Amino acid sequence: EDKVVQSPLSLVVHEGDTVTLNCSYEVTNFRSLLWYKQEKKAPTFLFMLTSSGIEKKSGRLSSILDKKELFSILNITATQTGDSAIYLCALGGSNYKLTFGKGTLLTVNP
Amino acid sequence: NAGVTQTPKFQVLKTGQSMTLQCAQDMNHNSMYWYRQDPGMGLRLIYYSASEGTTDKGEVPNGYNVSRLNKREFSLRLESAAPSQTSVYFCASSEWASGYNEQFFGPGTRLTVL
Repeated sequence: EDKVVQSPLSLVVHEGDTVTLNCSYEVTNFRSLLWYKQEKKAPTFLFMLTSSGIEKKSGRLSSILDKKELFSILNITATQTGDSAIYLCALGGSNYKLTFGKGTLLTVNP
Repeated sequence: NAGVTQTPKFQVLKTGQSMTLQCAQDMNHNSMYWYRQDPGMGLRLIYYSASEGTTDKGEVPNGYNVSRLNKREFSLRLESAAPSQTSVYFCASSEWASGYNEQFFGPGTRLTVL
């Protein structure tokens, strides 16, 4: 059974700090790893990492995938209060499903 | 282009009552999903429909039924609600292709069972 473990479960930082969120996984047949951001509503898509795309960057957010060690990290630099959210990691295998981790609750204080 | 829509947004039920949560997508996606989200538990898959005419159980299907009415619509039914089903329910859709499964989520339904 596919498994996703995120750490830490919660994190409190000050504006301007850099944060690293972790996602480790176990999967039978890897296809993709996705990151979502969830504020007080529906999750919104951030990145999808695959065997052919192991690094993604968008503004202050970046993510890498290590297929050998079976983990991914999401980096946020120069954090802002608007980055406060739950960050979800999800694993895509060879079936139609995504397996989600429990999420990391990030709080950015002014 | 509304994306994924869900109704209702909020609902309060008494134990034993039934209800149906509605979901529709206008992105012409083949696959649709129902999740529940509880504090500290992430998203757990209840049921999914890989394509029109098919449905399959996810991680937590007990107490729920689903209907894939057509390509656009996927409903979730609680036949006899229990307090343990108090949760936020999300519907999602995707165009699954060889494992590349970016899912788009609806705004959610907050359900309380008393």
